[in-house]
Amino acid sequence: SAVISQKPSRDICQRGTSLTIQCQVDSQVTMMFWYRQQPGQSLTLIATANQGSEATYESGFVIDKFPISRPNLTFSTLTVSNMSPEDSSIYLCSVGGQGVAFGSGTRLTVV
Amino acid sequence: DAKTTQPPSMDCAEGRAANLPCNHSTISGNEYVYWYRQIHSQGPQYIIHGLKNNETNEMASLIITEDRKSSTLILPHATLRDTAVYYCMNSNAGGTSYGKLTFGQGTILTVHP
Repeated sequence: SAVISQKPSRDICQRGTSLTIQCQVDSQVTMMFWYRQQPGQSLTLIATANQGSEATYESGFVIDKFPISRPNLTFSTLTVSNMSPEDSSIYLCSVGGQGVAFGSGTRLTVV
Repeated sequence: DAKTTQPPSMDCAEGRAANLPCNHSTISGNEYVYWYRQIHSQGPQYIIHGLKNNETNEMASLIITEDRKSSTLILPHATLRDTAVYYCMNSNAGGTSYGKLTFGQGTILTVHP
């Protein structure tokens, strides 16, 4: 299965600022996804990152808060904008396939 | 909402088989059953998936009932490193949602010495 590099692995950010998380895959993949895992909770899908077009967001997530880029078939970014402490979570990217692969996650703390 | 239900927690003795159940009564004909696990502070790890036949790989076995409304993940010889949260999910095998997963709360499996 695909190998995913996600960075940063963790960050502590001030409220009101933005953080961009990068996801790099070692092979071309059609489907890429971004998830959020709040403390003590399961994973929730934020959006599907579509190559060459706007991301498809799940209910409760909007582009202004979580803009996503997908410039090619191996790379995507997720930005968490105008952060508040409630955005403190682990953010993970994944790629579709028979055995969906996940990055190791970005642990974000907003203070 | 998650389309599967699992017990919140289970215990297993090291070296014994761990049998983790999952109910997926609303599974549709083109959806596979997937199992993942998440060890603390790591990204989810793929374990196994199946459509209607039982499956086995180097990690586990998957038993799917004939009506496909439930399944059991079997770790044949659990070790302490198998302590994790185990998630079962339904997902389409193709199309635009390929790989799009809906996570429930999972089962916390604790393997003890």
